[in-house]
Amino acid sequence: AQSVTQLGSHVSVSEGALVLLRCNYSSSVPPYLFWYVQYPNQGLQLLLKYTTGATLVKGINGFEAEFKKSETSFHLTKPSAHMSDAAEYFCAQTGNQFYFGTGTSLTVIP
Amino acid sequence: DGGITQSPKYLFRKEGQNVTLSCEQNLNHDAMYWYRQDPGQGLRLIYYSQIVNDFQKGDIAEGYSVSREKKESFPLTVTSAQKNPTAFYLCASKPGWGTEAFFGQGTRLTVV
Repeated sequence: AQSVTQLGSHVSVSEGALVLLRCNYSSSVPPYLFWYVQYPNQGLQLLLKYTTGATLVKGINGFEAEFKKSETSFHLTKPSAHMSDAAEYFCAQTGNQFYFGTGTSLTVIP
Repeated sequence: DGGITQSPKYLFRKEGQNVTLSCEQNLNHDAMYWYRQDPGQGLRLIYYSQIVNDFQKGDIAEGYSVSREKKESFPLTVTSAQKNPTAFYLCASKPGWGTEAFFGQGTRLTVV
């Protein structure tokens, strides 16, 4: 079965600092990978997705993720954190079903 | 405007009562999903449907039931058999294999 592991349930960064949220997926050919963001009491919003092609994927709000097959990783980064980035982030893998990680709560310290 | 609509946003029920959560989509997606979200536990799959009149149990189907009589609609009933129904419920749909899922805004159910 497919699975997704997010390392770190809580991450805190200072405003303006690098954001790095980690995600490892189970090997699947081909892997379809996603990052979603969730604000309190709202649904999930797609940040970015990797299907095929370029391994560096750019998403909304300045986020990007790099697909590394050798490491089975799909870490999410943003060069400079903003207060509005504070939210819950989910990594996901899909075929027919969706397999979500347990989420990482990002806190941005002013 | 295409999207997924969940209603109501907040729902209160007394213990022992069945309650139905609505999920409607106008995206013409075949597959629809119901997830339960509890703090610190991520999203857990309750039921999913890949085609009208067909659905499968997810990881935590006990105490829940669904129907898929129309492509646009996938209502979830939380029955009195569900021991701890208070949670945030999310509905999603996706157009096909390997595609992203689109989510509704969720329904927060509180059972008192």
